[in-house]
Amino acid sequence: GAGVSQSPSNKVTEKGKDVELRCDPISGHTALYWYRQSLGQGLEFLIYFQGNSAPDKSGLPSDRFSAERTGGSVSTLTIQRTQQEDSAVYLCASSLFVSSGGNEQFFGPGTRLTVL
Amino acid sequence: AQRVTQPEKLLSVFKGAPVELKCNYSYSGSPELFWYVQYSRQRLQLLLRHISRESIKGFTADLNKGETSFHLKKPFAQEEDSAMYYCALLIPFRGFNKFYFGSGTKLNVKP
Repeated sequence: GAGVSQSPSNKVTEKGKDVELRCDPISGHTALYWYRQSLGQGLEFLIYFQGNSAPDKSGLPSDRFSAERTGGSVSTLTIQRTQQEDSAVYLCASSLFVSSGGNEQFFGPGTRLTVL
Repeated sequence: AQRVTQPEKLLSVFKGAPVELKCNYSYSGSPELFWYVQYSRQRLQLLLRHISRESIKGFTADLNKGETSFHLKKPFAQEEDSAMYYCALLIPFRGFNKFYFGSGTKLNVKP
């Protein structure tokens, strides 16, 4: 497919369990972002990758959250010991680095995480 | 500090009325600015970007560097415009570019 894909689309888990969310960016896109969207709220930035490195992790809400990216492609966001306040839609987006003009961020469909 | 500010969380207008969604940014250089839209049960998608100087679905946005604003406007709102709108800024960050999003404005167009 040509777009950003995320899996799973829905995840229900019990409080205290670990979850792993996956993002497949558009092929060739060097930048990858993770965001969180809580019910009725706006976008909350979590982490930004450029290639395999993360120049900006400032949005990760706690040390229970981590993310990695391998091969400059797929990224996984891991939440350890999930809490009910982690329930949200987790969005992934990718973009191509272009020095000027032509930039656009493409979003995935999101993973809806529910922590019981 | 917030790079992009959208002061209204919710904006309600009647069909046919003009609408303006406000966006202010914080950057002293030449930014790239965008408006993204998220319709119900759809993914976030690009609406328009300032460098294209385009009008999409009747919406326009003008970059005002003096006021550091990029407000989104439409002269006659339609019910199908009801959605969540995000203003985004793209600026240099550690040798690359990075997107910064505002917190979003929910537009509700009433019949």
